[in-house]
Amino acid sequence: QSALTQPASVSGSPGQSITISCTGSSSDIGSYNLVSWYQQHPGKAPKFIIHEVSKRPSGVSDRFSGSKSGNTASLTISGLQAEDEADYYCCSYAGSRTFFGTGTKVTVL
Amino acid sequence: QLQLQESGPGLVKPSETLSLTCTVSGDSISSSDSYWAWIRQPPGRGLEWIGYIYSSGTTYYNPSLSSRVTISVDTSKSQFSLELSSVTASDTAVYYCARRSLSSGYSFDYWGQGTLVTVSS
Repeated sequence: QSALTQPASVSGSPGQSITISCTGSSSDIGSYNLVSWYQQHPGKAPKFIIHEVSKRPSGVSDRFSGSKSGNTASLTISGLQAEDEADYYCCSYAGSRTFFGTGTKVTVL
Repeated sequence: QLQLQESGPGLVKPSETLSLTCTVSGDSISSSDSYWAWIRQPPGRGLEWIGYIYSSGTTYYNPSLSSRVTISVDTSKSQFSLELSSVTASDTAVYYCARRSLSSGYSFDYWGQGTLVTVSS
């Protein structure tokens, strides 16, 4: 396995909620509650927005929430805002290995 | 506030060795909570984990790159470094250094701004 699978793109209107899925396997997401999510605006470094599946770091909006079921993790953005337009990546710890997701471009219509 | 800053050549010739250094400030590189990581992103593509190191020198590498990668740490200078040998055009990417935090579930909580390395003759 080389990467976790995410949809290439997700879009929504301002105020709506969207969900990004991140599918792995029983060796990574399925075995560890150590999934993190990152937001990346064009030309910028990724920003850490969720850790340990559903925990938000200090300063991150509560519009971002995470969850996990089996081998799939999910990031939900509620009350979508223009500033949420960015690329989003999941990441899973897997013992001696680490996997990033393929990335999802979020477009605010 | 923890800060990380990458430095190194922006252009490397094919078959040569790419060398980058990350300088850590605002926290101890010897912190028991922290691993120090390299991550790269080819232009227009996704993130790829390269590897990470603990202050003791213990390393973890991406198996797909492990034969060409060396990560080292110099605690006296608060720096850690990346060497990637026998580079090809496919190694062209923005290279990020980051902290991997144990207390945040092994997440990458602080990142450098990234540095673009182009492999070309």
